Amino acid sequence: GQQLNQSPQSMFIQEGEDVSMNCTSSSIFNTWLWYKQDPGEGPVLLIALYKAGELTSNGRLTAQFGITRKDSFLNISASIPSDVGIYFCAGQGGSEKLVFGKGTKLTVNP
Amino acid sequence: NAGVMQNPRHLVRRRGQEARLRCSPMKGHSHVYWYRQLPEEGLKFMVYLQKENIIDESGMPKERFSAEFPKEGPSILRIQQVVRGDSAAYFCASSPEGRSGNTIYFGEGSWLTVV
Repeated sequence: GQQLNQSPQSMFIQEGEDVSMNCTSSSIFNTWLWYKQDPGEGPVLLIALYKAGELTSNGRLTAQFGITRKDSFLNISASIPSDVGIYFCAGQGGSEKLVFGKGTKLTVNP
Repeated sequence: NAGVMQNPRHLVRRRGQEARLRCSPMKGHSHVYWYRQLPEEGLKFMVYLQKENIIDESGMPKERFSAEFPKEGPSILRIQQVVRGDSAAYFCASSPEGRSGNTIYFGEGSWLTVV
C-alpha cells in the first residue's frame, strides 16, 4: 500500500528558530495536507496543497507540493512555544482516503 | 474540527466486550471517515461511508469491526469482542463531498482502552 516517510521524527529547537520537516512517498498524490495534533486532540488542518509546485503560506507556516508529486515540505518560521505538538503530513491519491505520515514531534524551548 | 462530534471521548472495555463509538458529522456533511491511531503512529484509514452506504472499507479488519452511517443518527463504529490490541484513538472525519482535502474535518477522537 501507499506509505509516507516523514522526517525528522522529532525536533528540539529554541524559541525563535525556523523549523523544516518533509514527507516523501513512493507513489504520486493529488493532494498534500499538513495537520497539527495536540495531546488528546484530533488533527487540525494547517495547509492544503492541490497542485505540483504549489507554495502556500498560512501565517508563519509555509508548505510546498513537490514537482514530482511525491513529496512535500513544511516550514515554520520564528517558532514560538505554542508551536509544540505533532505535525503530520497526509496525501490523497485517487481515492478519498488520506495516507498519513508517522509525524514529527516538535519541542520548542523558551 | 469542533463541528465533528465524537462520543464517548474515553471508553474502557474488558477483553471480550463490545465497544461502540459514535460520530456526528458537521452539519451538512454527508461523508464520514473513520481512522485509527496507535501510540506514536500516524492515523490509519479504516472506512469511508456515505449515508446508508459503505464506499470503501479497505482499512477495516475483516473480523469484529463494522461501521454504519444510517439515514438518521450518527455513524457508529462497532468493535465486537475487543482485544488489547484494539486499544487506540479512533478519529472520525467528515466532509460535504469526497474530493477536496481542505474540507475534511476531524473530530477530537475516542480513546479506547481494553483491559
